Amino acid sequence: EVQLVESGGGLVQPGGSLRLSCAASGFTFSTYDMHWVRQGKGKGLEWVSGISTTGDTFYLGSVKGRFTTSRENAKNSLYLQMNSLRAEDTAVYYCARGGDGWDYWGQGTLVTVSS
Amino acid sequence: QSVLTQPPSASGTPGQRVTISCSGSSSNIGSNYVYWYQQLPGTAPKLLIYSNNQRPSGVPDRFSGSKSGTSASLAISGLRSEDEADYYCATWDDSLSGWVFGGGTKLTVL
Repeated sequence: EVQLVESGGGLVQPGGSLRLSCAASGFTFSTYDMHWVRQGKGKGLEWVSGISTTGDTFYLGSVKGRFTTSRENAKNSLYLQMNSLRAEDTAVYYCARGGDGWDYWGQGTLVTVSS
Repeated sequence: QSVLTQPPSASGTPGQRVTISCSGSSSNIGSNYVYWYQQLPGTAPKLLIYSNNQRPSGVPDRFSGSKSGTSASLAISGLRSEDEADYYCATWDDSLSGWVFGGGTKLTVL
């Protein structure tokens, strides 16, 4: 059974940093692109970042230079390092498996940026 | 302001057919596949349609997708109460070099 489990969310002050993790199981992690998608409270979905099987990364314009996505295939894990956090980054962050659409999603982890 | 435009709401009665539109441009829908996601209240999104009109296994054939030019549509026939959810379209945008979503459509089953 495919499972994606996010962790690392929490409360952080503006300008602070947080590292999210996504633990994958039930499939060959190294052969899939992976993505981060976020959703503010009562808001729509917003793609944040993606990483290919070869490690190429892509980012939403507003997070470029602040967020870094990486993967560790040996640990079946996806990461999102978030620096210089802003109030507008407050959201539930989901990791999702790529391919023909994002066919599996985690349950999400809440990031709150507030003083 | 989302790159893709969806109506904020749609509604129908049980058994009816409803369609949800998604409008974009030549740099996104016009040149890439469209995907549709269903998000039930309090849950993670679920892939409903991929590559414009393909259904993942397990998705009922009541759900169908289509694309024409720079617009796409999701049709739901034989509407059921459990279809009440938010629906999002998504695609790659060549100009932005990133994935973009529509603002979402809240479907109410009356």
